[in-house]
Amino acid sequence: ILNVEQSPQSLHVQEGDSTNFTCSFPSSNFYALHWYRWETAKSPEALFVMTLNGDEKKKGRISATLNTKEGYSYLYIKGSQPEDSATYLCAPLMDSNYQLIWGAGTKLIIKP
Amino acid sequence: GAGVSQSPSNKVTEKGKDVELRCDPISGHTALYWYRQSLGQGLEFLIYFQGNSAPDKSGLPSDRFSAERTGGSVSTLTIQRTQQEDSAVYLCASSLEGGYTFGSGTRLTVV
Repeated sequence: ILNVEQSPQSLHVQEGDSTNFTCSFPSSNFYALHWYRWETAKSPEALFVMTLNGDEKKKGRISATLNTKEGYSYLYIKGSQPEDSATYLCAPLMDSNYQLIWGAGTKLIIKP
Repeated sequence: GAGVSQSPSNKVTEKGKDVELRCDPISGHTALYWYRQSLGQGLEFLIYFQGNSAPDKSGLPSDRFSAERTGGSVSTLTIQRTQQEDSAVYLCASSLEGGYTFGSGTRLTVV
């Protein structure tokens, strides 16, 4: 059974503060890592796909890094805004069969 | 269409009744997935279709659940004799190579 862990489970952050959270996954047979953003009452939306060790992706105030050798990825949000409130899911792809293995997510709540 | 379409968006049904949930994937996407999210929980994998291969049904929680995908396109998830614990948001996603596109889900409430 492949274990994907995300921590923390939930996070309350003051508006304007920066934050980060972690996804850890088995480092063997790694193929790619996907990050998704899931707002309440909406469907998950793709944020990043990362494949190479040391990869860093950025979209506005959100960025992510990847360490495939030790099996973890960090997601960073700079200057949090209320609209960043969502559950952030990571999902590694451990082979090329295109079935993602989903973490339970980090629920981020931004306090105005 | 441009996205993954699911219907109905909301369904309230009485315990014991059968329900059918529909998913229309993005045209050309060979893979189709069904997930559900119960209150306060993460994504729970249900079933996966890939092209003409036999589906991966390993996530279906009981034999009351079944799904089919006709012509490699539209999929229907059927829940027979619904129970209250079946209440959840049922999400469908499709993909071609890797990244998933999700539908907006069907919120099922069993009363």
